Parts: sequence; structure tokens; C-alpha cells
Amino acid sequence: EIVMTQSPATLSVSPGERATLSCRASQSVSSNLAWYQQKPGQAPRLLIYGASTRATGIPARFSGSGSGTEFTLTISSLQSEDFAVYYCQQYNNWPLYTFGQGTKLEIK
Amino acid sequence: QVQLQESGPGLVKPSQTLSLTCTVSGGSISSGGYYWSWIRQHPGKGLEWIGYIYYSGSTYYNPSLKSRVTISVDTSKNQFSLKLSSVTAADTAVYYCAREERYYYDSSGLDYWGQGTLVTVSS
Repeated sequence: EIVMTQSPATLSVSPGERATLSCRASQSVSSNLAWYQQKPGQAPRLLIYGASTRATGIPARFSGSGSGTEFTLTISSLQSEDFAVYYCQQYNNWPLYTFGQGTKLEIK
Repeated sequence: QVQLQESGPGLVKPSQTLSLTCTVSGGSISSGGYYWSWIRQHPGKGLEWIGYIYYSGSTYYNPSLKSRVTISVDTSKNQFSLKLSSVTAADTAVYYCAREERYYYDSSGLDYWGQGTLVTVSS
């Protein structure tokens, strides 16, 4: 099983600033990585797939990068609605999918 | 607009079988290229993928749950279902259904999700 490790567990950032979230895979997942945003009481929302492709309707301030084992989700200028928990997910080891444990993005 | 909706009992007794159904609207579950998954989230924890089904009935389950999981599809009702047997308190979680668009090894991620349903295992 591929283990996904996200860091940091909690990230405190001020509105308007940039946030950088990391995800590391225990072995290469190529570019087969997605990012999701989850707000309290809601289902996860797909942000990024293919490591860097924004899903439909996702604002341009969200960007993904990386390949192999190291990935980054960047939110260029934080809006109030962006404070949430973010998960990465690998689907390279199809059909066994695994998620990271999440990064909580909180207001500083 | 595709929508998914989970339904089923919110309380299940230990050792019994958890049964949930996901109803898909705004699109056909029989459309090729889509895989239909169940994912769960223990209270305050991360996401655990349970398994998926294709409209043809082809399935794959997380090995950690494989012995207890059955996912089935009813294309006539545009639904797919989850059964998890011999449940314990450790199966208490929010259960989500979700859609993935995939063409062979090329996936667009889990793009549509149900709102989730909390299932509590307790006597």
C-alpha cells in the first residue's frame, strides 16, 4: 500500500497571504495525485487532479505541482472561504486508492 | 448536474450488516468511463476508500475490508449499494459515495460526492 504523508498537520496563514501544503508518497505515484478541500459538515470537493490540473470551477488561485513522490498545493492569496482541511489522494496504485491524513488550514 | 445521495439506517447493531444505497441523478450510472466508489471518514479523522463498482458489475475492494464488503449496482434504478458485514464500533463513520471519471489509467479524480451519511454502530 502506498502511504501518503501530508505536512504540516496544521498551517496558520493570514487572509491574503500564500499557503503551501505538502504531500509525500512512500513510492512514486507519477502524476496520479489529486487534492481535495473539505469544510466542516461537508463532503470533500475535488480541487486538482493529475497533480496540476484544476477541476471544473476551481479558482485559479489554487495550483498544484510535483510528480513522483513530492507534491505541493499552493493557494496564492487566501480567501476566507479557503480555510478548511485539505487532503491529497494517490490513484497511481489503481485500483487501490489512499489518502493523506490531511492538513488543516486555519486563520492566523 | 450530477448529484449523488446516500440513504440507509443511521444506527446499526454490532455484528449486523450495514447497508447503504447511493442514488445518482443528473446522469446515468451506466455511462461508460465512470467508477462509483464508497469512501468513509471516521469521526474527526481522514478519508478511507472502501471500494468501487463499474456499471458492468466489476468491483474492487480495499484489502483491509475485503472480507466484509460487498458493492452492487442496480442500473435500472441508477443506484449502487454498499454492504458491510459483522460491523463493530470501529465502523462508525460518515459514509460517502462518489464518482470517478476514468479511462484506463487516466483518472480525473473523485469529482462528484454525496453529502455523506453518519452510521453509528451501537447496541
